[in-house]
Amino acid sequence: EAQVTQNPRYLITVTGKKLTVTCSQNMNHEYMSWYRQDPGLGLRQIYYSMNVEVTDKGDVPEGYKVSRKEKRNFPLILESPSPNQTSLYFCASSFGRFYEQYFGPGTRLTVT
Amino acid sequence: KQEVTQIPAALSVPEGENLVLNCSFTDSAIYNLQWFRQDPGKGLTSLLLIQSSQREQTSGRLNASLDKSSGRSTLYIAASQPGDSATYLCAVGWSGGSNYKLTFGKGTLLTVNP
Repeated sequence: EAQVTQNPRYLITVTGKKLTVTCSQNMNHEYMSWYRQDPGLGLRQIYYSMNVEVTDKGDVPEGYKVSRKEKRNFPLILESPSPNQTSLYFCASSFGRFYEQYFGPGTRLTVT
Repeated sequence: KQEVTQIPAALSVPEGENLVLNCSFTDSAIYNLQWFRQDPGKGLTSLLLIQSSQREQTSGRLNASLDKSSGRSTLYIAASQPGDSATYLCAVGWSGGSNYKLTFGKGTLLTVNP
């Protein structure tokens, strides 16, 4: 089944403890991106990647890192999480800028 | 900077009614526009994708139109059903000054009453 998977789906952590949220797609998509969704603010892009080893900042990149070493994986790294990073995170992928975006199921992160 | 606005923020209709959701954007230099639905606590499901060169797309009871020059798109839902209840999101694909960005509206919460 063609899909975007994220792990973990739910995570509660403490301030400053490094964490990684994984994202993987099995559709051979070149474009991948991360979003966060917050009440009243909607979905905002954190980082995106046009292809392997090519990443760029979205609208809210502060406090996040990404890497794209393989085409199928695009992990989101929070090196020192803070409470303002409590949010619902989505990973998405597509063949490229002219194609439909497919979203993962989301990761609900709580930082205390 | 691209700003995407969706009106209304919430809509409640009786079952069977035809309805229109609106999306407007400020920068008309777009690649495409995509409509999604999001169910509570769930991810986003793609409904329709319209390329900048297209005027409309149809899928079943859904029809999306695009007027790039005026910065507007509409999603038309025919013969609404309670199962259509969800939040509908509009997302604009544009260059963002670099490569490709997707900017979302805040959504329209649709409730279809039996």
